[in-house]
Amino acid sequence: QKEVEQDPGPLSVPEGAIVSLNCTYSNSAFQYFMWYRQYSRKGPELLMYTYSSGNKEDGRFTAQVDKSSKYISLFIRDSQPSDSATYLCALGGTNAGKSTFGDGTTLTVKP
Amino acid sequence: KAGVTQTPRYLIKTRGQQVTLSCSPISGHRSVSWYQQTPGQGLQFLFEYFSETQRNKGNFPGRFSGRQFSNSRSEMNVSTLELGDSALYLCASSPGLAGIMGYNEQFFGPGTRLTVL
Repeated sequence: QKEVEQDPGPLSVPEGAIVSLNCTYSNSAFQYFMWYRQYSRKGPELLMYTYSSGNKEDGRFTAQVDKSSKYISLFIRDSQPSDSATYLCALGGTNAGKSTFGDGTTLTVKP
Repeated sequence: KAGVTQTPRYLIKTRGQQVTLSCSPISGHRSVSWYQQTPGQGLQFLFEYFSETQRNKGNFPGRFSGRQFSNSRSEMNVSTLELGDSALYLCASSPGLAGIMGYNEQFFGPGTRLTVL
């Protein structure tokens, strides 16, 4: 069993929809919870990271962490075609140099 | 500030050959990590170098090796290539130590696409 399991997708939604992306993990030692966005033929870019359980908001993006359930989510409000990408959850310690990634969920937002 | 650069961007090799990939981190960053990304296995951690020393290592065979130079530039080498080594190899740089916020963010390069025939 993988340390991090991510909903595989792909997801296809109409523009303006709310998108929910989810990951579960098994190792309670993880301290930081990250979401990356990866466009085709590009490297991943960090969207958000959180440290504790709860919500963290950044514009249209909200990251949610539930450590008791070992469950993390990323919500995208008012989704745009430019949000079409693969979203990767990642977990790690204070040193991001060694992070464990989910397999990614490919999202397509249709105009 | 320039981002992470990786060379070459694309590479085609045959089984049994060896390959060397290069990564130049963001100026001032001391840590370089390497990841392998494949459709079947996702993004998997290979190793991390900090100040020329390997700080962490993933679960890859000894055919995969790396090194870091005094200017923080890093190379990874794969010897005796196998078909299954075809992947996107990503390099990520980070300051190397947790910052004020307690998190050491890493920045990815565009990757090197390796195809083994």
